Amino acid sequence: DGGITQSPKYLFRKEGQNVTLSCEQNLNHDAMYWYRQDPGQGLRLIYYSQIVNDFQKGDIAEGYSVSREKKESFPLTVTSAQKNPTAFYLCASSMSPSESYEQYFGPGTRLTVT
Amino acid sequence: SQELEQSPQSLIVQEGKNLTINCTSSKTLYGLYWYKQKYGEGLIFLMMLQKGGEEKSHEKITAKLDEKKQQSSLHITASQPSHAGIYLCGAGNYGGSQGNLIFGKGTKLSVKP
Repeated sequence: DGGITQSPKYLFRKEGQNVTLSCEQNLNHDAMYWYRQDPGQGLRLIYYSQIVNDFQKGDIAEGYSVSREKKESFPLTVTSAQKNPTAFYLCASSMSPSESYEQYFGPGTRLTVT
Repeated sequence: SQELEQSPQSLIVQEGKNLTINCTSSKTLYGLYWYKQKYGEGLIFLMMLQKGGEEKSHEKITAKLDEKKQQSSLHITASQPSHAGIYLCGAGNYGGSQGNLIFGKGTKLSVKP
């Protein structure tokens, strides 16, 4: 079945450690996105990529980094510079980087940093 | 910058009742999306509206975009426990080609059997 997978579902880290969240899609979509969701809040865009080997900062990119070496994969690294990393992270993809195409979401990764 | 405001923030209805959730934008909407989220899970795409006055239905859920393209409503007819969850509206942020979406804070729906 086609879809987006995120792993792991739950992740625990100590403060000061970098951590990488995985996002893979087999939908042959060009565009991929990372969002962060906090309790009672909507989703906020961290990074997005419209094409392989290219990505752009979203609204809250500080403390995060990404790579897009393959069309199917868009991993997100939460660095120790991110002041409040505990959150629910959602990856999405769309056929084309246009609001004419709906975004499909993965199941999310809940990151807890203590 | 554009903002999406959803109302109400939460809603508790008796099974079988109808309900409406609203999403209001501070600017013209370029593509309005409705998603449903179960707690701790990803978002499920429901519907997309692009044209002023457009209306779409899927099973017992109907979404409309007003003529001025600044407000959308989601209407559920004869609600069921399976409709419970968080409903989020999303919209194109720049009206351009980036495809970036901004989201409202969500409406939490509970359906009492």
